[in-house]
Amino acid sequence: NAGVTQTPKFQVLKTGQSMTLQCAQDMNHNSMYWYRQDPGMGLRLIYYSASEGTTDKGEVPNGYNVSRLNKREFSLRLESAAPSQTSVYFCASSESSGRNTEAFFGQGTRLTVV
Amino acid sequence: QKEVEQDPGPLSVPEGAIVSLNCTYSNSAFQYFMWYRQYSRKGPELLMYTYSSGNKEDGRFTAQVDKSSKYISLFIRDSQPSDSATYLCAMSVYGNNRLAFGKGNQVVVIP
Repeated sequence: NAGVTQTPKFQVLKTGQSMTLQCAQDMNHNSMYWYRQDPGMGLRLIYYSASEGTTDKGEVPNGYNVSRLNKREFSLRLESAAPSQTSVYFCASSESSGRNTEAFFGQGTRLTVV
Repeated sequence: QKEVEQDPGPLSVPEGAIVSLNCTYSNSAFQYFMWYRQYSRKGPELLMYTYSSGNKEDGRFTAQVDKSSKYISLFIRDSQPSDSATYLCAMSVYGNNRLAFGKGNQVVVIP
């Protein structure tokens, strides 16, 4: 019962470095999401993908890019990391039916940019 | 004004007390209301899910929705140390899977 799997769990980057956060779900969900969580700020949506082949910006997309590689996988890329991107990143997935909006979350990636 | 407001102040209660959490919202189109529980260093997981106005009970947990006041609540009866976690409210519009989250309340139940 893997659910939503994120890799890596921890990462330290230097300012200006790039990296990709990986996310995979095994629940056959159509929709996938990337959030960041900062103290006192709650969960903020970075990007989401309503279905395979589509992606849309969320609340805080600047500095990030995403790829919906297939139905299972949704990656988040930081092209040039900045200290302001230090955060905990969560990937989530959900069915796309109108009434069922329960989102299932991964365990998170703790990213520190120095 | 944010779509969902949740006072993020921490809450400490003695074991056995009733915990009361609430959120207000501004988007009258919200129809689905959820409470997520997040343990330290873990991802959020769904705790309660309600549709439109009314009450829903699940064991020691009760979720209330008052759409006329744009106000939702979560009550935890007979609180236990294992209830210590951050509780986030979330809501969505029919046909749109994007969830709007509150900032979360950290709850500590003291044995």
